[in-house]
Amino acid sequence: RKEVEQDPGPFNVPEGATVAFNCTYSNSASQSFFWYRQDCRKEPKLLMSVYSSGNEDGRFTAQLNRASQYISLLIRDSKLSDSATYLCVVNRDTGRRALTFGSGTRLQVQP
Amino acid sequence: EAGVAQSPRYKIIEKRQSVAFWCNPISGHATLYWYQQILGQGPKLLIQFQNNGVVDDSQLPKDRFSAERLKGVDSTLKIQPAKLEDSAVYLCASSLGTSGAQETQYFGPGTRLLVL
Repeated sequence: RKEVEQDPGPFNVPEGATVAFNCTYSNSASQSFFWYRQDCRKEPKLLMSVYSSGNEDGRFTAQLNRASQYISLLIRDSKLSDSATYLCVVNRDTGRRALTFGSGTRLQVQP
Repeated sequence: EAGVAQSPRYKIIEKRQSVAFWCNPISGHATLYWYQQILGQGPKLLIQFQNNGVVDDSQLPKDRFSAERLKGVDSTLKIQPAKLEDSAVYLCASSLGTSGAQETQYFGPGTRLLVL
């Protein structure tokens, strides 16, 4: 079983749609959680951290359910520029800050 | 502020040849990471340095991969000899290394390696 699992997609949605991505992780001792965005042939960039209480940044909302070991990302009012791969990321250990990445979910927003 | 620099951006070699990649992290960042990203997958950590010491190299194939960060600044990753399955993007990232598990990692543009 992979440490971080995501639906690979692709998710094809029209502009203005709301889309949600889910992710599960296997290590219950995981400490911190993130969503990264990766454009085609580019490096990953931090989109947002995910906190237990849930957090929002503009059109993006992230939620964490530690009991179910489940992370979600909601994008409202999708824009063409949101088209990318969204990587669910978990930090396993306190002393080692290396990240464990899911394989990503590809989003294609269509006009 | 300058980002993480990597070179070369692209490299094509034949199997059994050697190759080296270079990374210069963001100034002042103590922690440096090398990740391997195979097409269709997320990045996988190869090695993590804190200053010039290795923190984690558990997923580095040590029979063919080596990395160093001699002065605690820039780093090189070497593959010798390369195999077909080493074809991937090699990403370098850095972080301040002082703020704990929540601190942000910044990635370089990567080196795209093709082994023929």
